[in-house]
Amino acid sequence: ILNVEQSPQSLHVQEGDSTNFTCSFPSSNFYALHWYRWETAKSPEALFVMTLNGDEKKKGRISATLNTKEGYSYLYIKGSQPEDSATYLCAFRDNYGQNFVFGPGTRLSVLP
Amino acid sequence: ETGVTQSPTHLIKTRGQQVTLRCSSQSGHNTVSWYQQALGQGPQFIFQYYREEENGRGNFPPRFSGLQFPNYSSELNVNALELDDSALYLCASHAWDTIYFGEGSWLTVV
Repeated sequence: ILNVEQSPQSLHVQEGDSTNFTCSFPSSNFYALHWYRWETAKSPEALFVMTLNGDEKKKGRISATLNTKEGYSYLYIKGSQPEDSATYLCAFRDNYGQNFVFGPGTRLSVLP
Repeated sequence: ETGVTQSPTHLIKTRGQQVTLRCSSQSGHNTVSWYQQALGQGPQFIFQYYREEENGRGNFPPRFSGLQFPNYSSELNVNALELDDSALYLCASHAWDTIYFGEGSWLTVV
């Protein structure tokens, strides 16, 4: 059974703070790592799809890095805003099939 | 707007009953997956259908079953409901590299 972990489980930051959290996944048979933002009462929104070791991707104030050899990805948010409050999910996909294995998510609350 | 719609959005069922959840996926996406998300957990993979055939299944008992239709819409059926089946059920349709989620069906079993 593939195990994908995320830490921390939740965090609270002040508006303007920068923050980061971690997704850990199996380092073998890697195909892709996906990040999603899931706001309450909405569908999860795709943020990044990362496929190559050393990948760095950026979307506005949010960026992500990938290390497939050690099996982790970091998501960074610079200058957090209240609208960044959401659950951030990572999903690992191996090269055997189309199944995505999701982590439990990191719940971010940005306080004004 | 993801183009994936689910129904119903909320429902309450009694333990032992059966439920059918429906998903209409994006045009051209021939793969659909179903996920269960219990409170405080990430989505758990239930099963996946590709061109009307099940081609992957997670660690869920046989009372969780599904169908995919020629237009690639899909159903999730759960028999003999248990209290622990209370969760958000998400449907997702796949392009190769991206999943498009519906907004989910909230099921409460009492």
